[in-house]
Amino acid sequence: AQKVTQAQTEISVVEKEDVTLDCVYETRDTTYYLFWYKQPPSGELVFLIRRNSFDEQNEISGRYSWNFQKSTSSFNFTITASQVVDSAVYFCALTQNSGGYNKLIFGAGTRLAVHP
Amino acid sequence: SQTIHQWPATLVQPVGSPLSLECTVEGTSNPNLYWYRQAAGRGLQLLFYSVGIGQISSEVPQNLSASRPQDRQFILSSKKLLLSDSGFYLCACLAYGYTFGSGTRLTVV
Repeated sequence: AQKVTQAQTEISVVEKEDVTLDCVYETRDTTYYLFWYKQPPSGELVFLIRRNSFDEQNEISGRYSWNFQKSTSSFNFTITASQVVDSAVYFCALTQNSGGYNKLIFGAGTRLAVHP
Repeated sequence: SQTIHQWPATLVQPVGSPLSLECTVEGTSNPNLYWYRQAAGRGLQLLFYSVGIGQISSEVPQNLSASRPQDRQFILSSKKLLLSDSGFYLCACLAYGYTFGSGTRLTVV
């Protein structure tokens, strides 16, 4: 069955440190999408990135970067030079095709606390 | 791009009372719609999804139900709330990508 594992429940860093959030997934689908979302204290989900299963090219967006490795079924997220505003819960998610319908399966989330 | 309106933002309800949370979508037609629940300190659990008017699939047995009376309207309901129904409820839409509403924080007392 499809599954997303975020083994790190909480991470605490000091501002300007780099931090990597791990995401490991399991799927039987040959075509799938992976996502990262940020959930600040207000609760809404902020979309960060979507990656399809055929594109293993790493991506960088400002201080954010993502490392997708199909061989290890991982889609890790790195924040460089972390800032206090990065404090949030981060979710990794995977699409699941079920009877032709598309669903989004979430990991349990990693709570990141960035201290000044 | 699509926009999701979800209300109310917060709700405190007594045990045994009914519930109705509404989600409406703008900017797209015939989207897939989803209800997720996030218990305190936990991840997001898919509760219901709908691929069209009147078409509802339930992911987990529970005290809640969902309805889709119009193409861009998705409603989450309960006849009698339980304490365990407390949580953060998010509506989501899949059209050109996944879009989430701002959520409803429900506390059952």
